[in-house]
Amino acid sequence: NAGVTQTPKFRILKIGQSMTLQCTQDMNHNYMYWYRQDPGMGLKLIYYSVGAGITDKGEVPNGYNVSRSTTEDFPLRLELAAPSQTSVYFCASLRGKTNEKLFFGSGTQLSVL
Amino acid sequence: AQSVTQLDSHVSVSEGTPVLLRCNYSSSYSPSLFWYVQHPNKGLQLLLKYTSAATLVKGINGFEAEFKKSETSFHLTKPSAHMSDAAEYFCVVSDRWSGNTGKLIFGQGTTLQVKP
Repeated sequence: NAGVTQTPKFRILKIGQSMTLQCTQDMNHNYMYWYRQDPGMGLKLIYYSVGAGITDKGEVPNGYNVSRSTTEDFPLRLELAAPSQTSVYFCASLRGKTNEKLFFGSGTQLSVL
Repeated sequence: AQSVTQLDSHVSVSEGTPVLLRCNYSSSYSPSLFWYVQHPNKGLQLLLKYTSAATLVKGINGFEAEFKKSETSFHLTKPSAHMSDAAEYFCVVSDRWSGNTGKLIFGQGTTLQVKP
């Protein structure tokens, strides 16, 4: 099992550029999450999904989009990158409603200049 | 809607002394509560979780937490700090049976410093 795999690990974007952060898990987990971690601010939930075809907004969804066409993949799209989106992004997954352990990806460090 | 507040952004203790990291939560339904730890340049690791069984929860590395519904608190404790405990700690809340379960909200984190 690879667990939760995020790509890329690092990326620098120019203001206004677009990109997709990839996240895939091979554990057949229903629940998947995108968080951003800013220094001293903890993790903020961007979007989450409770299963294929179902997504919902978290605490800070503005400027992002997601899709969940398969159980395995949960990509995060930044359409018009802004400096405020400079952060470390974590994808995570959870098996189901019993709220067992979150499995985290290794993170993507994104800088928007 | 659920929320979580970690009352201290930074806690400093001496090695061998007790650790107390405070967390208060707000939840419309019966919550699930977790503590995660993040060591520098490493991923997040689950320390312990509460899901409506025993109110005193024991986790890894000697940590434990007590769920107090009347105080809406879930404080993390350890009797004796080790240097290796220095890290960032996150309290996390989830509504278990809200119908929209799965929305896991993190606190802002508490940095634990352990002095020799």
